[in-house]
Amino acid sequence: AQKVTQAQTEISVVEKEDVTLDCVYETRDTTYYLFWYKQPPSGELVFLIRRNSFDEQNEISGRYSWNFQKSTSSFNFTITASQVVDSAVYFCALNVRGSQGNLIFGKGTKLSVKP
Amino acid sequence: GAVVSQHPSRVICKSGTSVKIECRSLDFQATTMFWYRQFPKQSLMLMATSNEGSKATYEQGVEKDKFLINHASLTLSTLTVTSAHPEDSSFYICSARDLASGPYEQYFGPGTRLTVT
Repeated sequence: AQKVTQAQTEISVVEKEDVTLDCVYETRDTTYYLFWYKQPPSGELVFLIRRNSFDEQNEISGRYSWNFQKSTSSFNFTITASQVVDSAVYFCALNVRGSQGNLIFGKGTKLSVKP
Repeated sequence: GAVVSQHPSRVICKSGTSVKIECRSLDFQATTMFWYRQFPKQSLMLMATSNEGSKATYEQGVEKDKFLINHASLTLSTLTVTSAHPEDSSFYICSARDLASGPYEQYFGPGTRLTVT
């Protein structure tokens, strides 16, 4: 069975703090993709990153970075120097090859960045 | 980039009526579209998979006679909530697969917020 766990339901930080959002996934397939999405209050999902199971290189995009570790089945997301505009719900998701192609979402982590 | 639209963005309807939600891929052909439902403060749950020209595949627990899905063309899928009840109030999001961009590329619509009074 495939599953995504985001153990942190809510996180609150003060602006300029760094924050890491955890994501642990479960799958028996060797080929899969992992995603992170941001969902602001408007509801629209904003795509942040896609990672395939064969690429464990960490990625950095501006203030965002991702740490993919197959050994621990984790795909964590770090925001450096957080800003108020980062306040949103963040979802980690899994897509497995051979499935019908839908994404399996974690429960999401609500991040509140206070000024 | 690939764009998926949904219409309407927000709808309020009375209990017992039906409401149709459209999902369109604007600049690509989507052989497969997915419909997700998100209750307040919860995650997105897959309701059904819609394949162009064939019947939709519903997830366990989703009533296919209540949530009618039609994917009549490569750019349009519709979800009709029939005989809506207040418990159907939710945020409905579609996504469309663009196979030309790769097997794992899919794009989400902006969502439709349904309120049943």
